[in-house]
Amino acid sequence: AQTVTQSQPEMSVQEAETVTLSCTYDTSESDYYLFWYKQPPSRQMILVIRQEAYKQQNATENRFSVNFQKAAKSFSLKISDSQLGDAAMYFCAYVPMEYGNKLVFGAGTILRVKS
Amino acid sequence: DAMVIQNPRYQVTQFGKPVTLSCSQTLNHNVMYWYQQKSSQAPKLLFHYYDKDFNNEADTPDNFQSRRPNTSFCFLDIRSPGLGDAAMYLCATGTGTGLYEQFFGPGTRLTVL
Repeated sequence: AQTVTQSQPEMSVQEAETVTLSCTYDTSESDYYLFWYKQPPSRQMILVIRQEAYKQQNATENRFSVNFQKAAKSFSLKISDSQLGDAAMYFCAYVPMEYGNKLVFGAGTILRVKS
Repeated sequence: DAMVIQNPRYQVTQFGKPVTLSCSQTLNHNVMYWYQQKSSQAPKLLFHYYDKDFNNEADTPDNFQSRRPNTSFCFLDIRSPGLGDAAMYLCATGTGTGLYEQFFGPGTRLTVL
C-alpha cells in the first residue's frame, strides 16, 4: 500500500528565515504526482506546489520550492523568506496513477512562524 | 471566481438526528470528494463520485451516505450521528485526469450534542 510519511509533527521558523519540511513516500509505481497542501487555522486547504514524478527538475512557486529525490522517494518543501502568513498545517500528498482520483495524505506538519 | 462552496459552514445536530451537508462547485469538475478531518489530522476520504459513479472507501461506516444529483452538487448524509462523527467535513473537486489536483471547499464544522 502506498504511504506518505511526514516525520516532523511541528516545526518553527523565524520570520524571514528558511525552513524545510520533509516528506517521504512509499510506492512501486514509476509515474505519479506529488503535492504540498497548506491548511491555515480555520481556513481552506490550498495547493502550494506540485511535482510530476517524470520531471527531474524540481518545482518552484515563488518562495516555495521542492527537493524531489525520486530514487530516495523523498519530497521536501523549502519555504524561503518565511512570512507570518505561512503559519499553517502542511500536508504532503501523493497521487498513485493506479488510483488517479485519490490523494494519499501524510499526517501533516504544523509550521509556526515567529516574529 | 470558480470555486467550491460548502453549506452550512457550521452545523450543530443532536445525537442520532440525521443531518445533511451540501457542496456545490462552479469548476465543472467530474469528480467530487467528501473527506472527514478531525483536529490536527489528515483528511480521511469517505467516498467520491466520478460523474455519477459512486466510489465508497472500504472503511467508511454505513452511517455515511452521499448523493450527487447533478454535476454541480453533492450531499453528505449522516443518518444517525454519533459523538465520534463530530469533525470538519471537507468537500473537494477534481478533473480526474491530468494533474489530479484537488480543489477544496472551506469545510463544514459538525458538532454533535
